[in-house]
Amino acid sequence: GAVVSQHPSWVICKSGTSVKIECRSLDFQATTMFWYRQFPKQSLMLMATSNEGSKATYEQGVEKDKFLINHASLTLSTLTVTSAHPEDSSFYICSAQGLGVYGYTFGSGTRLTVV
Amino acid sequence: AQKVTQAQTEISVVEKEDVTLDCVYETRDTTYYLFWYKQPPSGELVFLIRRNSFDEQNEISGRYSWNFQKSTSSFNFTITASQVVDSAVYFCALSEARDGGSQGNLIFGKGTKLSVKP
Repeated sequence: GAVVSQHPSWVICKSGTSVKIECRSLDFQATTMFWYRQFPKQSLMLMATSNEGSKATYEQGVEKDKFLINHASLTLSTLTVTSAHPEDSSFYICSAQGLGVYGYTFGSGTRLTVV
Repeated sequence: AQKVTQAQTEISVVEKEDVTLDCVYETRDTTYYLFWYKQPPSGELVFLIRRNSFDEQNEISGRYSWNFQKSTSSFNFTITASQVVDSAVYFCALSEARDGGSQGNLIFGKGTKLSVKP
């Protein structure tokens, strides 16, 4: 079945640094990628939607200059958290849609801790 | 606007008990999809089921069953003879159809944490 590989699984970074999270579709072409954020004991909230080759569409309240999303190819989408702060500590998870793929394929998530 | 409500924040049962997780949704669209996902402590989302709005047939898969009722906008999930391994957070989610037959983003409920004690 369809697989999305998400890396890293967890990362600890210092305040002010940037962190890049990658999601790769291994056996299908991901035409759309959704990025979600989940704070502890809360639900998953959509941050942005990206279509391959286009600029991402961000949800209200999500800073596009802070959360940079790149979807330059059909197999790779990245989320970069720039100038991370402790309040950005969260679980980030991607979800891909692709041609010939049923429904949504989720990555395994990235647990980000900013110290 | 679309919305998914899971009124039960936490449920605790003893092994072998049956448990039903409630899900109520709101949408103006006539074509939409409903989902259930399981999230164990490790965090990954495990897909359980997808239902489209035109298929109200209930479904059973092993110990899992789902009851879709459009009249009450509900899509409830029942685990029969629960086991400790069923302990997780369960999310109900909704997506709407887009032009071309694809689906929009998933809108998640707040989740229900199920604890099954031995």
